[in-house]
Amino acid sequence: GAVVSQHPSWVICKSGTSVKIECRSLDFQATTMFWYRQFPKQSLMLMATSNEGSKATYEQGVEKDKFLINHASLTLSTLTVTSAHPEDSSFYICSARDSGRGAGNQPQHFGDGTRLSIL
Amino acid sequence: QKEVEQDPGPLSVPEGAIVSLNCTYSNSAFQYFMWYRQYSRKGPELLMYTYSSGNKEDGRFTAQVDKSSKYISLFIRDSQPSDSATYLCAMTSTGGGNKLTFGTGTQLKVEL
Repeated sequence: GAVVSQHPSWVICKSGTSVKIECRSLDFQATTMFWYRQFPKQSLMLMATSNEGSKATYEQGVEKDKFLINHASLTLSTLTVTSAHPEDSSFYICSARDSGRGAGNQPQHFGDGTRLSIL
Repeated sequence: QKEVEQDPGPLSVPEGAIVSLNCTYSNSAFQYFMWYRQYSRKGPELLMYTYSSGNKEDGRFTAQVDKSSKYISLFIRDSQPSDSATYLCAMTSTGGGNKLTFGTGTQLKVEL
């Protein structure tokens, strides 16, 4: 159980284009999902918390107009990197918490990440 | 000083060894503690999830939490080459929207 699917796993695109990454909870509902960025040999850096039916909460220093988050259903959150540039190249990972198993602190389950390369 | 300290390694052990991975933390509000395993180019996989102090065992893995010392450990018995990965500790308090605070990760290599 507790499977999170992330798509695509790898994308290469030209500078200036926008890229959408999907994160789905396959066997549970998630009112909250999280988006992370990870640089090589470093830990995960939280970018934003995605809340179903409301606006995402962004961490300090993360441009909300650059990284658009939509959480339109209890099983799907999307991250769109707008007008991507080479410095946006990174490994993006989503996670989701099972909101159907009671209040509070269910652990986060992670997707397999999306490797984004901007040429 | 980071909220969570974790030795980055790399840690290299022979197959069959007992591996001990550790994290220390400074925030006494942390109550939920997790260990994740991350293979290269993959997302983290939840291994252990514990609440407050104590031990939890799952197969070859044992997680220990000592809140009085602000110290958590993950033990791997009979280590296998397939255990070679980066191990991340993570923790959270009851509040804070369930945001996780991660250690930097320890890279483990189990050699034949």
